[in-house]
Amino acid sequence: DTEVTQTPKHLVMGMTNKKSLKCEQHMGHRAMYWYKQKAKKPPELMFVYSYEKLSINESVPSRFSPECPNSSLLNLHLHALQPEDSALYLCASSQDSSGNFDEQFFGPGTRLTVL
Amino acid sequence: AQSVTQLDSHVSVSEGTPVLLRCNYSSSYSPSLFWYVQHPNKGLQLLLKYTSAATLVKGINGFEAEFKKSETSFHLTKPSAHMSDAAEYFCVSGGYQKVTFGTGTKLQVIP
Repeated sequence: DTEVTQTPKHLVMGMTNKKSLKCEQHMGHRAMYWYKQKAKKPPELMFVYSYEKLSINESVPSRFSPECPNSSLLNLHLHALQPEDSALYLCASSQDSSGNFDEQFFGPGTRLTVL
Repeated sequence: AQSVTQLDSHVSVSEGTPVLLRCNYSSSYSPSLFWYVQHPNKGLQLLLKYTSAATLVKGINGFEAEFKKSETSFHLTKPSAHMSDAAEYFCVSGGYQKVTFGTGTKLQVIP
């Protein structure tokens, strides 16, 4: 299985809602990533988990809260988001190379709209 | 410091003609370099990667790229474009705790 799955595909939420994005992989990868991608822009790295520990947080606002319950799952908890947080959120995974970025396998993304 | 420059934001080719997407990098060390493709509203898919084993790298779907250290380039090529190649392409540099994406090149294929 060389697939990264993400749920939901689409999410619309109000600024006072709490929601979660989910990501799953069964390739035995030990590094997992969250990216945010605005229209016509490259992905921006948000968080990196390595061996289920948060290793990189790219100064993301606290209204985004990542969680890695086990080596196959990655969640992104959302609370009190702003309209400018509307974007495609991509999850990825890779073999952990001691902090070196190697080839990543991306999920299809969750299209988030904040009203 | 690490940076990636994709020289063209948009490239248009006719079906069946060659494709050239240009990427220049700068790094204080030999980086790992990747090309990814993204079709509309989809995730990114790896086309190929360079990790210093060979300067000419062959990828999926007939794409290849050549690493030229003297020119700090890693251009992506394909001999004959297919309609399904129409997508956004990203050149990416990977290092220790650092990943850098180029701004992307949108490839249009004209029938």
